[in-house]
Amino acid sequence: AQSVTQLGSHVSVSEGALVLLRCNYSSSVPPYLFWYVQYPNQGLQLLLKYTSAATLVKGINGFEAEFKKSETSFHLTKPSAHMSDAAEYFCAVTSNFGNEKLTFGTGTRLTIIP
Amino acid sequence: DTEVTQTPKHLVMGMTNKKSLKCEQHMGHRAMYWYKQKAKKPPELMFVYSYEKLSINESVPSRFSPECPNSSLLNLHLHALQPEDSALYLCASSHLMHRGTNTEAFFGQGTRLTVV
Repeated sequence: AQSVTQLGSHVSVSEGALVLLRCNYSSSVPPYLFWYVQYPNQGLQLLLKYTSAATLVKGINGFEAEFKKSETSFHLTKPSAHMSDAAEYFCAVTSNFGNEKLTFGTGTRLTIIP
Repeated sequence: DTEVTQTPKHLVMGMTNKKSLKCEQHMGHRAMYWYKQKAKKPPELMFVYSYEKLSINESVPSRFSPECPNSSLLNLHLHALQPEDSALYLCASSHLMHRGTNTEAFFGQGTRLTVV
């Protein structure tokens, strides 16, 4: 069974400050990990994905995440927050063993303070 | 074209109505999904279709009936719903995940369903 835990259901940062959203995973098989963003009344948009080719993954809108097997973590960061980054962020996990189930974390709402 | 298109965007239905949600993709994906999302919650998987065959049903009540008429279309037929079924219904698609491959799911914008 696979799962992800997102620490902090609500994170607030000042505009221009570092964004750090935390995600820890649990998986008995090599995981595939994703970060999705959801703006109000919208669907989910993929920010980035871990493919096992590189531990540091760069995504859209200046976001990146680092896969750390020793810490079972896949935290999302952005050096400088913009007002447009305010949204709900979901970490998700699946496996490469033909399992189409994508398991989501509970989400982190990011608020940007002007 | 990397879009998943869902119609309608909004739907209000009574508890005795029958309605359908539609989803379409033209990315050649052979896996398609229905998710239900309540306010301030993550999406919950309802159904998965692989090669137009139902492969996963997450114990969803029979008042929700999925259908995959071809590789590009996915429907969700609704009948005798309850007010607690009000939610955002998301469709997604992806390439099938095989050993050693990785693929992401593309999501539609969702249908906001209100049951009155």
